[in-house]
Amino acid sequence: LAKTTQPISMDSYEGQEVNITCSHNNIATNDYITWYQQFPSQGPRFIIQGYKTKVTNEVASLFIPADRKSSTLSLPRVSLSDTAVYYCLVKGGGFKTIFGAGTRLFVKA
Amino acid sequence: SQTIHQWPATLVQPVGSPLSLECTVEGTSNPNLYWYRQAAGRGLQLLFYSVGIGQISSEVPQNLSASRPQDRQFILSSKKLLLSDSGFYLCAWSEKTSDYTGELFFGEGSRLTVL
Repeated sequence: LAKTTQPISMDSYEGQEVNITCSHNNIATNDYITWYQQFPSQGPRFIIQGYKTKVTNEVASLFIPADRKSSTLSLPRVSLSDTAVYYCLVKGGGFKTIFGAGTRLFVKA
Repeated sequence: SQTIHQWPATLVQPVGSPLSLECTVEGTSNPNLYWYRQAAGRGLQLLFYSVGIGQISSEVPQNLSASRPQDRQFILSSKKLLLSDSGFYLCAWSEKTSDYTGELFFGEGSRLTVL
């Protein structure tokens, strides 16, 4: 399983765009990149998943460069309710899913 | 639609007492099942996962055990709790996929305090 590195914490203000970058230098050919969001006292929730280039859904965008050694989760116009921990995961097919320490995002008014 | 439930939601237990946390999934069959633990302010630690009835893979050697007596039931147990067992326990399930990493769906969590 590829190891991931992401910032421990980030601060932002309401209305700003937030970009959280994850490094995964030893990503394998069949690995996908997935991001989860976790609020306090809740289980993580799937946000977005991608393999290469750009993926966008109603919540976020995921940018993956050609070498796939990193990825960036982009949250447009964050609100206070986006304060949470964001996890970047890299894995291919298989059952084992390992979460890293995540990035604690704090959105201020 | 699929749902996942785990209980109890909150538990306060003395050191040395037994533990049983239960998780059930509805609306799907033959899911992959997982138990994670999250210590206060920390990330998620994978404890056990199961791909089928009676099939348990352990990630962390400790005084915890898991069982899957039925297809959609996953139980986390301990015979004697330690202080270090305190934490937020999360059950999760995923569909079996052949070509990409399946999305994990988490339960509401069980907060265990060992005194």
